[in-house]
Order: sequence, then C-alpha cells, then structure tokens
Amino acid sequence: DADVTQTPRNRITKTGKRIMLECSQTKGHDRMYWYRQDPGLGLRLIYYSFDVKDINKGEISDGYSVSRQAQAKFSLSLESAIPNQTALYFCATSGAGEETQYFGPGTRLLVL
Amino acid sequence: AQKVTQAQTEISVVEKEDVTLDCVYETRDTTYYLFWYKQPPSGELVFLIRRNSFDEQNEISGRYSWNFQKSTSSFNFTITASQVVDSAVYFCAPGAAGNKLTFGGGTRVLVKP
Repeated sequence: DADVTQTPRNRITKTGKRIMLECSQTKGHDRMYWYRQDPGLGLRLIYYSFDVKDINKGEISDGYSVSRQAQAKFSLSLESAIPNQTALYFCATSGAGEETQYFGPGTRLLVL
Repeated sequence: AQKVTQAQTEISVVEKEDVTLDCVYETRDTTYYLFWYKQPPSGELVFLIRRNSFDEQNEISGRYSWNFQKSTSSFNFTITASQVVDSAVYFCAPGAAGNKLTFGGGTRVLVKP
C-alpha cells in the first residue's frame, strides 16, 4: 500500500462550489504539506503543518484553507472554487529532521 | 526567499547518451538541502537525491550522479547511459529551514530509443 494517499484522484467541480481534498499517510511523519502544480510549471507551496496544532501559510494560500485532523491526516479545502484553481494538487510528508519530502500521487482538479 | 533556475526547458537524447541537467539556486540560508525529483508521464513525484549544503562531496548512485558547487550555487544532475524509462520532467528543489521546498520550473527529458 502507498505510504501517502490522496482522495479523490480526479475531481471536476463548478465555480463557487466548496470542495475538500484529503491526504493520509502511514509513514508516521509529523510534517505535512500541500502544493499545487500548474501545467508546465513547478510546484508551489499552499500550506504546511509541522504537527497537529501547527498550521502555516505557504506561498499561495489565498482561496484555500486546511485542517490537520490527526498526525496522519491533512485536508485542503477550496471554500469557493474558481477556474484558476484548476491544477494538480500534491500532498507531501516529511519526518522532523529528515528533510526529504515524500509525495502522494496527486489530485487533478478541474473547476468549470 | 529562495529562487531556482532550471534554464533547460527540454532535452532530447538518444538512448544510452548521458544527460546533464543544470540547476542554479539562490538562498539566504546558511544551511539548506538540495533535492532532485522526477515526474514521469504518470504524474507522480519521485524523490531521487538529496544533498546537504555543508557537504560538497559529489557522489554517484547507480546511473545518477550530481555535481554540487556551493561557490556558484549550482547543483547539476547527470543520468548516465540514459534509458527510455528516464523520460520525465526533472525538478531541482532547494529546501529552506523547516523543509519548505522551492521548485524550479523543471526540465523535460525525452529519451528516444
């Protein structure tokens, strides 16, 4: 089984809808991250969390919110989706002091 | 803030040729990490290598090798004897304190049989 899972893998939604992307990990890592990737570009950090009580904004947090429900779960919400949030979204985890981030398979989101 | 430049947007080679990917970064951190990730056509991100800023020893791991030059802020990556399965987009990413990664725009490698 994959160490970092994301659900759903693909999602189509309409402008103005609220949606949630979920991430779960079995690696026992404390740190979790959400990135987005636009076509032909690298990843940009949306939010990150170093433990259950710690939430931090990344480079592009506007229009997004997150929830760290448990050490193993980190959800990303789009409160009111807009077309320019169409992208590939990745969750990642890392252990404290380990530095290497391990990525989930990604969620392809299309906002119509 | 960190900045990463991968000047090569696409490289096309024939199988068995070597491929070198360039990466130049900017950082104000005195201690940091440098990573290379691979994104095959299936879309997932695969961790390849990690280098600490305080260790400039260059290494080889199988068909992968890297050249880290702190004085020029470069972290180049080489695939030796390329194979079709190496076709992917490769990302260079320095890691700031607390693991926050900054990704370059990526270099697409196409290995033709």
